[in-house]
Amino acid sequence: SQTIHQWPATLVQPVGSPLSLECTVEGTSNPNLYWYRQAAGRGLQLLFYSVGIGQISSEVPQNLSASRPQDRQFILSSKKLLLSDSGFYLCAWSPGSSGAGYTFGSGTRLTVV
Amino acid sequence: AQSVAQPEDQVNVAEGNPLTVKCTYSVSGNPYLFWYVQYPNRGLQFLLKYITGDNLVKGSYGFEAEFNKSQTSFHLKKPSALVSDSALYFCAVRDMQTGKLIFGQGTTLQVKP
Repeated sequence: SQTIHQWPATLVQPVGSPLSLECTVEGTSNPNLYWYRQAAGRGLQLLFYSVGIGQISSEVPQNLSASRPQDRQFILSSKKLLLSDSGFYLCAWSPGSSGAGYTFGSGTRLTVV
Repeated sequence: AQSVAQPEDQVNVAEGNPLTVKCTYSVSGNPYLFWYVQYPNRGLQFLLKYITGDNLVKGSYGFEAEFNKSQTSFHLKKPSALVSDSALYFCAVRDMQTGKLIFGQGTTLQVKP
């Protein structure tokens, strides 16, 4: 069966420090991968999505970047964190078929201080 | 443009009473619709989906949703609410051109004993 792993679960980082959040998927190949941010426990903001290795689409210009160095690995990064980067970050995957929904990771709570 | 709306920020219901969480959508063509639930500091969990077939879709934890094409709605329902159903609920529709899910803003369900 397919599983998605996201870590760390919580992270407290000072302003100006770098960030690296990792997401991996097991049990499938060539998944579509997504990074979302959720502020204040409400709506989901799509940050990046990827349909293949090295293929990244950015939805919102910001202080963050994403990379997909391997088929089932998706990394969210920042060179210098801002206070406004605080939030709950969710990784998700979906197969290529049109009828499938997303499977989400357990999320990372990032607090920038 | 395809979109989904959840008109209620919060729904309050007494334990044992039926509950409804509303969702309306706007898409071109036949919609693929989804419901997810999110507990505090957790990732989203899939509840159910409508692709085709019966308008009444049954999902996890006793939830069901009714697809109504004429009203462009996909309301989530449960005959008897539990306190443990208290959570944040998201409706989503698939953008058939990009394959991405478009999420509503979420509805907080509060079930009181």
